[in-house]
Amino acid sequence: DTEVTQTPKHLVMGMTNKKSLKCEQHMGHRAMYWYKQKAKKPPELMFVYSYEKLSINESVPSRFSPECPNSSLLNLHLHALQPEDSALYLCASSQGVQITEAFFGQGTRLTVV
Amino acid sequence: DAKTTQPPSMDCAEGRAANLPCNHSTISGNEYVYWYRQIHSQGPQYIIHGLKNNETNEMASLIITEDRKSSTLILPHATLRDTAVYYCIVRVVGTGGFKTIFGAGTRLFVKA
Repeated sequence: DTEVTQTPKHLVMGMTNKKSLKCEQHMGHRAMYWYKQKAKKPPELMFVYSYEKLSINESVPSRFSPECPNSSLLNLHLHALQPEDSALYLCASSQGVQITEAFFGQGTRLTVV
Repeated sequence: DAKTTQPPSMDCAEGRAANLPCNHSTISGNEYVYWYRQIHSQGPQYIIHGLKNNETNEMASLIITEDRKSSTLILPHATLRDTAVYYCIVRVVGTGGFKTIFGAGTRLFVKA
């Protein structure tokens, strides 16, 4: 199994809603990542988890809250988002942070209304 | 910031080789060069990586110059399905460790 599975594929939420994005991998990878991608732009790194601990936060606003409940799962909790947060959110995993051969999920397309 | 520069777009005829250049003049001695591509509306896909020697796999070849300041990704027989944005990446070291930072990439159009 070389897949990174993200759910949901599409999400529409209001600015007062709380929602969560989920990411799962069963490759035994110990590093997991969240990226944000706006239309026609490259993915932007948000968070890096290594061995279930947050190792990098790229100065992401606190309305985005990551969580790594175990080595296979990565969540991104969303609260009080703004319309400009609408984007494709990509999850990725790799064997370790030292290895950049990462596997990406297909992303969650988020629309904030 | 990304440590690589790439042309914004390139065209290639179907069946011909696509040669995608990348400059990484500030690469350090032990850093690998990685290539990914992103087909429209999909997540990025790993293609190949290398350190010093040329590399080849079932998808592509990677040619790295002797001074390691630039590299070229070669798709030997491009197909329409190779139309995508191709990203050349050298990791950035920051607080907390290594980071995979995507630059703007090259948008490759393969034409029939």
